[in-house]
Amino acid sequence: GAGVSQTPSNKVTEKGKYVELRCDPISGHTALYWYRQSLGQGPEFLIYFQGTGAADDSGLPNDRFFAVRPEGSVSTLKIQRTERGDSAVYLCASSSQNNEQFFGPGTRLTVL
Amino acid sequence: DAKTTQPPSMDCAEGRAANLPCNHSTISGNEYVYWYRQIHSQGPQYIIHGLKNNETNEMASLIITEDRKSSTLILPHATLRDTAVYYCIVRVPFLYNNNDMRFGAGTRLTVKP
Repeated sequence: GAGVSQTPSNKVTEKGKYVELRCDPISGHTALYWYRQSLGQGPEFLIYFQGTGAADDSGLPNDRFFAVRPEGSVSTLKIQRTERGDSAVYLCASSSQNNEQFFGPGTRLTVL
Repeated sequence: DAKTTQPPSMDCAEGRAANLPCNHSTISGNEYVYWYRQIHSQGPQYIIHGLKNNETNEMASLIITEDRKSSTLILPHATLRDTAVYYCIVRVPFLYNNNDMRFGAGTRLTVKP
């Protein structure tokens, strides 16, 4: 079956611009997670959704970052006024009640 | 902050067993040990997890010491495709208010011909 998909695979933007990153989880998975991974480091937790609500957003670095999951399936990570330090790979994962997380391939964001 | 300590890198000869260690001396009684790996340019992939008993699946074996302060992931016959960064994570499985995973830097395993 289909795994977690993320679009776009690559995004290049200019400093100060707004970007949206999309995640399509595995069908039926109620939990969805966003992570950020910088070069040479492990993924860093950003936010976790259970259904439509954000159960834990403690990893979001500041108020320029926001994520939604309005229908409990697809999620969008939104970054306002992008900065060069936001450049990273943004990973999405989903899980069912068995809690093993399945990761997507990530979106590589480059802020020039 | 990650609750685990892993060597930054290891090499293994193709066809031999790869033994990846992980220290988790502060693990609490309800925390499981999880292993994921990340092949270059891909998202992390689940390998195996366990609480206190040794576990085996089609990918690997997990050996957890009796005091649970350390564990070893064993790839019995490493292939070139096993070259990846391996992450050891301790966490409490699925709770509605606590579901993040704390990744450290992991161990970069290089399998050599």
